[in-house]
Amino acid sequence: DTAVSQTPKYLVTQMGNDKSIKCEQNLGHDTMYWYKQDSKKFLKIMFSYNNKELIINETVPNRFSPKSPDKAHLNLHINSLELGDSAVYFCASSPAPQGYEQYFGPGTRLTVT
Amino acid sequence: LAKTTQPISMDSYEGQEVNITCSHNNIATNDYITWYQQFPSQGPRFIIQGYKTKVTNEVASLFIPADRKSSTLSLPRVSLSDTAVYYCLVASYNDMRFGAGTRLTVKP
Repeated sequence: DTAVSQTPKYLVTQMGNDKSIKCEQNLGHDTMYWYKQDSKKFLKIMFSYNNKELIINETVPNRFSPKSPDKAHLNLHINSLELGDSAVYFCASSPAPQGYEQYFGPGTRLTVT
Repeated sequence: LAKTTQPISMDSYEGQEVNITCSHNNIATNDYITWYQQFPSQGPRFIIQGYKTKVTNEVASLFIPADRKSSTLSLPRVSLSDTAVYYCLVASYNDMRFGAGTRLTVKP
């Protein structure tokens, strides 16, 4: 069983489009995260949710909007995609915030053309 | 906000002990230190976490001095399969800062 799953694994789209990435965890964790990893492999936190409550909301464009329908899901919606949005996006979950052991998904490679 | 600094790369040979140090001068009282391993095309994988002094598990040890301004991940007797990027993370309830990662290459 996959602990943290993301769909799709690859996403190729054109500038200006709107797209969503879905994330699900079956670990029963209370906290979920979205990270962006750029071409230089820098990992940057974008958002974190604890029990569906937004905890971390880093300085990312308003075009990025997380949605947590329940504790097991945290989706990422991106409007008006730009070339600079191309990156690998990772979802993760942990039993609690405060840097507890995080389980990462396999990543979604987004390419904007 | 804690900024984390790590060496960009390190080389080692099979069977050696590897120590990777992360600097986090502005670490806050509530911050924990965690290390992750990442292979190409995979998500990071948890290695070890600590707050102060020394923590050891079946794969690594983590040394944190009293002032907590740095931490050292120690990998005993590395093998070729330990070739990966290692990230230091300093995190609290509402803030997380990854280091830029250290690319470890283990040679035969």
